[in-house]
Amino acid sequence: NAGVMQNPRHLVRRRGQEARLRCSPMKGHSHVYWYRQLPEEGLKFMVYLQKENIIDESGMPKERFSAEFPKEGPSILRIQQVVRGDSAAYFCASSPSPGSTGELFFGEGSRLTVL
Amino acid sequence: DAKTTQPNSMESNEEEPVHLPCNHSTISGTDYIHWYRQLPSQGPEYVIHGLTSNVNNRMASLAIAEDRKSSTLILHRATLRDAAVYYCILSKLYNFNKFYFGSGTKLNVKP
Repeated sequence: NAGVMQNPRHLVRRRGQEARLRCSPMKGHSHVYWYRQLPEEGLKFMVYLQKENIIDESGMPKERFSAEFPKEGPSILRIQQVVRGDSAAYFCASSPSPGSTGELFFGEGSRLTVL
Repeated sequence: DAKTTQPNSMESNEEEPVHLPCNHSTISGTDYIHWYRQLPSQGPEYVIHGLTSNVNNRMASLAIAEDRKSSTLILHRATLRDAAVYYCILSKLYNFNKFYFGSGTKLNVKP
């Protein structure tokens, strides 16, 4: 059973460009979470999605950031007009429906560098 | 959500037990204590979680104080692969969108 798959693993963008990060949850998982980790800091929650629904986006910056989890295909975190401060590792995690193990499964992360 | 306090770093010798402390004096009755660890350049990995009773699994043991204001993650025999940042997190069960990772404890394991 493949784990949470994220791509690209590394992404370099110039200021003003767009970054798209993709996440395929574990098979059978319908809940996806995105976290961001700035250098030398802990992870911070950004957004929680289920298929076709945003459940909690309280950690998302108000502008330039959006996320989706369509009926078919991976979840996508989109950052428009990137700035240097967006340079970070972005982690996706997935879980099955509540009532199972209580464990959150993380991907390897996508490391965004903004020049 | 209640926050946790952990030492910034700890050091251990290989094949010796390691006790990683976590203080959570403002824990509520329905908060679970979760532990995750993050190896260098990887995503966090689940270690263990518990509510009131001590818990054991193949990776570690979790000892929870009777008043639940503190807990200890126990690695019975540290290996070099256990060198990581360990995060103690309080959250209602399944409230993964409420996980606050903090700075964690960086564990260094010496051969």
